[in-house]
Amino acid sequence: AQKVTQAQTEISVVEKEDVTLDCVYETRDTTYYLFWYKQPPSGELVFLIRRNSFDEQNEISGRYSWNFQKSTSSFNFTITASQVVDSAVYFCALKEDPGTASKLTFGTGTRLQVTL
Amino acid sequence: DTGVSQDPRHKITKRGQNVTFRCDPISEHNRLYWYRQTLGQGPEFLTYFQNEAQLEKSRLLSDRFSAERPKGSFSTLEIQRTEQGDSAMYLCASSFRGSNEKLFFGSGTQLSVL
Repeated sequence: AQKVTQAQTEISVVEKEDVTLDCVYETRDTTYYLFWYKQPPSGELVFLIRRNSFDEQNEISGRYSWNFQKSTSSFNFTITASQVVDSAVYFCALKEDPGTASKLTFGTGTRLQVTL
Repeated sequence: DTGVSQDPRHKITKRGQNVTFRCDPISEHNRLYWYRQTLGQGPEFLTYFQNEAQLEKSRLLSDRFSAERPKGSFSTLEIQRTEQGDSAMYLCASSFRGSNEKLFFGSGTQLSVL
């Protein structure tokens, strides 16, 4: 069965520091998708990125970057020069069997607190 | 595009009562999902619709739970004979087939069962 582990329950940083959120996943499928979602205090989960299991290129989008390594089953997320507005809970998620509309399996989330 | 909307935002009920939540997805999205999130946990899948057809249900969805999506538009989730363990945030999400499950979530309905 699929599983997503986010070992960091809470991280606190000072603004402008870089921070990396860890995600480790388990799946028996060879084809799958990985996601990161952000949940601010308002409660609405916001999509950040989707990564196909065949695409191990790292990606950078503004202050965000993602490091996907199949060899270690990890999909880590880095925020560069963190800002107070980045404070939220971040969830990593896995979707197996991309040919169907199957469910996402979420990790337990990492709460990021960015202070001045 | 007004996003996914859920109603109500908060619901407080007494144990044993029935409750119903509503979700209005993004209008062109044909897939609709219900998830449940408890404190300190990630969302857990409950059920999924493609148009009006309910295609998958989680084992978490006991027979006290029922979901509908008449005419493939809005959806309702009803919980009968609520129990304290049903207290959670109920999240609705929608997506467009072929989007490889980029889900758009609503803000959720927070249920408290006293």
